[in-house]
Amino acid sequence: GQNIDQPTEMTATEGAIVQINCTYQTSGFNGLFWYQQHAGEAPTFLSYNVLDGLEEKGRFSSFLSRSKGYSYLLLKELQMKDSASYLCAVTHLGQNFVFGPGTRLSVLP
Amino acid sequence: EAGVTQFPSHSVIEKGQTVTLRCDPISGHDNLYWYRRVMGKEIKFLLHFVKESKQDESGMPNNRFLAERTGGTYSTLKVQPAELEDSGVYFCASSQQHYQPQHFGDGTRLSIL
Repeated sequence: GQNIDQPTEMTATEGAIVQINCTYQTSGFNGLFWYQQHAGEAPTFLSYNVLDGLEEKGRFSSFLSRSKGYSYLLLKELQMKDSASYLCAVTHLGQNFVFGPGTRLSVLP
Repeated sequence: EAGVTQFPSHSVIEKGQTVTLRCDPISGHDNLYWYRRVMGKEIKFLLHFVKESKQDESGMPNNRFLAERTGGTYSTLKVQPAELEDSGVYFCASSQQHYQPQHFGDGTRLSIL
């Protein structure tokens, strides 16, 4: 299977920057997605990487290194509402989405 | 545009009973996916429809689970008979193209007593 690893929990302060890492198996890699999920709500799409490099969308950026099987989600100017779980999901050729365990981020005042 | 909608939002049934979950994808999305999240675990893929055809049902746990998408619009997921280990949150998602970002519904929280 495709083992996807993320830190279980992270804590950061309002206004700060936080980086959430995700590692995955590289064989057959097709794309990597980041989702945000507040408790009891639907996962919401944040970012999508297919090629190496950085994708920036406002306060959120996602980086991918295909050779290293590594991605990170960067959140800048943290706000209290950013407290949520952040899910890394990977697609491999011929297979469907595989989700990581998610990282629960707590933003403190 | 309306998002992915799921019904019911919560369902509590007894072991051995039958439950049917419904998902209405975003209009025009040919690809429809079912997922499940058991407490404390990651979201797991169940199956994938392209229009009315099952493209991949490799994630379905066993033959107590039956998914349909007649007409290629909404989909249903029936669990019959329900067992205790079927408890969890069942998510539906849709996308225009496969391997593109999927849009998720709020999920159905299923509790088997």
